Amino acid sequence: AQSVTQLGSHVSVSEGALVLLRCNYSSSVPPYLFWYVQYPNQGLQLLLKYTSAATLVKGINGFEAEFKKSETSFHLTKPSAHMSDAAEYFCAVMRGVGGSYIPTFGRGTSLIVHP
Amino acid sequence: KAGVTQTPRYLIKTRGQQVTLSCSPISGHRSVSWYQQTPGQGLQFLFEYFSETQRNKGNFPGRFSGRQFSNSRSEMNVSTLELGDSALYLCASSLPTGLDTGELFFGEGSRLTVL
Repeated sequence: AQSVTQLGSHVSVSEGALVLLRCNYSSSVPPYLFWYVQYPNQGLQLLLKYTSAATLVKGINGFEAEFKKSETSFHLTKPSAHMSDAAEYFCAVMRGVGGSYIPTFGRGTSLIVHP
Repeated sequence: KAGVTQTPRYLIKTRGQQVTLSCSPISGHRSVSWYQQTPGQGLQFLFEYFSETQRNKGNFPGRFSGRQFSNSRSEMNVSTLELGDSALYLCASSLPTGLDTGELFFGEGSRLTVL
């Protein structure tokens, strides 16, 4: 069974500081990996995705993530945090089932940005 | 292009009642999936529909059901509501398999409170 572990339910950074949100996955086959962001009282929005092309994936709002197979990790980073980045971030792994994809989400990491 | 639309956004029910939630996918998207989001359990997959057929189902009791119409709109129903059913219910749509990599497009959710 596939699983996703996000280390740290809360991450606090100062505005302008590096953002690092950790995600480790377990998968028996090369996975499709995603990062989604959720702002308060809203649904999830795709930040970026890894689909076995380049291991360094660039997403929206200056975020990027690096797929490291040897470490089974897909950590999300941003060089400089902005106040508007404060939100809940979810890592997800997709597995093919019955002709479709079923996601398994991590428990989420709440990013807090201090002025 | 209009996004995924969920109605109602907020609703309050009492134990034992039943509820129906609606989801209109992005035009051209034929797959619709549903998720339950709670602070305790995180994001959990409920079920997925494609061409009016349920393709996959998560680990939820039979009180949770859904259907999809010929125009790809979907509804989910929860019967005999329990306090633990209080949650944000999210709907997501996606392209047919083979044309996508499992990317999900989420609605803003329906927040259900059971009293």
